[in-house]
Amino acid sequence: DQQVKQNSPSLSVQEGRISILNCDYTNSMFDYFLWYKKYPAEGPTFLISISSIKDKNEDGRFTVFLNKSAKHLSLHIVPSQPGDSAVYFCATREGSNYKLTFGKGTLLTVNP
Amino acid sequence: EAGVTQFPSHSVIEKGQTVTLRCDPISGHDNLYWYRRVMGKEIKFLLHFVKESKQDESGMPNNRFLAERTGGTYSTLKVQPAELEDSGVYFCASNRRGQETQYFGPGTRLLVL
Repeated sequence: DQQVKQNSPSLSVQEGRISILNCDYTNSMFDYFLWYKKYPAEGPTFLISISSIKDKNEDGRFTVFLNKSAKHLSLHIVPSQPGDSAVYFCATREGSNYKLTFGKGTLLTVNP
Repeated sequence: EAGVTQFPSHSVIEKGQTVTLRCDPISGHDNLYWYRRVMGKEIKFLLHFVKESKQDESGMPNNRFLAERTGGTYSTLKVQPAELEDSGVYFCASNRRGQETQYFGPGTRLLVL
């Protein structure tokens, strides 16, 4: 049973527009959330994270929003660039347990 | 600083054979993790080392999988005997104690025929 769900397998946006990637989780004990980006034939690369004590974290063009009551996480990329085209994974962890639980990923395509 | 490295990048073996995957973590990282992604599925946790000790091996699928980290440096993951369902991409990750972010290697693509 999947504890982390990324319900959109793919997303296509125009360059310069906003990309919004969504993630839902079921375990209320998750308290740290990460987004990873993955290019083909490479490993996941850390992008941005947020602790459950916050509801927003920004890093340049990337912003992560956390809605704990809805158990929902989103990643906003603005403006989107063609180099952002990749698979984006949402990942979570619980307390002192180091293991990450991943969603299936969303393939983002940014069209020039 | 060199990243996490994994060897080999690809491996094609026949069912019943043995394969050993290697991971070299980032220097100074006590924590080392193995994950696996079967095609079309999510990346799943296999196990976690702190130095040479297995901290959590709850994700290991069965006793055909053996992970070691002798000396607390590099790690190996051996699959013996390999089955068709073991095909996938095996990722290794590492981080320092107390560090939230895990840094991933490029993965080993295993195909069992």
